Amino acid sequence: AQTVTQSQPEMSVQEAETVTLSCTYDTSENNYYLFWYKQPPSRQMILVIRQEAYKQQNATENRFSVNFQKAAKSFSLKISDSQLGDTAMYFCALQGANTGKLIFGQGTTLQVKP
Amino acid sequence: GAGVSQTPSNKVTEKGKYVELRCDPISGHTALYWYRQSLGQGPEFLIYFQGTGAADDSGLPNDRFFAVRPEGSVSTLKIQRTERGDSAVYLCASSPSDRTYEQYFGPGTRLTVT
Repeated sequence: AQTVTQSQPEMSVQEAETVTLSCTYDTSENNYYLFWYKQPPSRQMILVIRQEAYKQQNATENRFSVNFQKAAKSFSLKISDSQLGDTAMYFCALQGANTGKLIFGQGTTLQVKP
Repeated sequence: GAGVSQTPSNKVTEKGKYVELRCDPISGHTALYWYRQSLGQGPEFLIYFQGTGAADDSGLPNDRFFAVRPEGSVSTLKIQRTERGDSAVYLCASSPSDRTYEQYFGPGTRLTVT
């Protein structure tokens, strides 16, 4: 079975600072995909960043980057220069290479303080 | 262009009633997914379609839940004999195919069973 675990229910960060959200996962597959999604209070789930497991290079999207440790099955999200608009719930998700379904973690609520 | 839309945005029903939740995917997207999100939790996979057929319905909790996508576009999630435990936000997502790794989510339907 595939599982995703986010051990930080809530986090806060001051505006302009850096914060890291943790995620661990378990899968028996060798090829898979990992994602971070953002869900603001509007409920609209938005893709932040994705990582293909076969790529060693960590993905980066502007202020968002990941630290992917395949052997440790760890996939953390770093947000640099945090902005008030980053306040949201963040979900880590796993997708097998041969399926479309996403397995989500429990989420981390991030609050960015002015 | 238009994103994924879901109707209704909110639905309140009495225990034991039947409900239908509708999802309109992005035009041309062949893959469509349903997830259920309880308060403060991550979304849980229910079912996904590739075209008209259900590619994976392993997440449907019991036989009260059923989904269709007769013409490969709009999908309807049907819940019979609703229970209070069915109260949640039901999210729909679509992607160009089930081998495309970004899923575009709709705003969800909040179902409340009284």
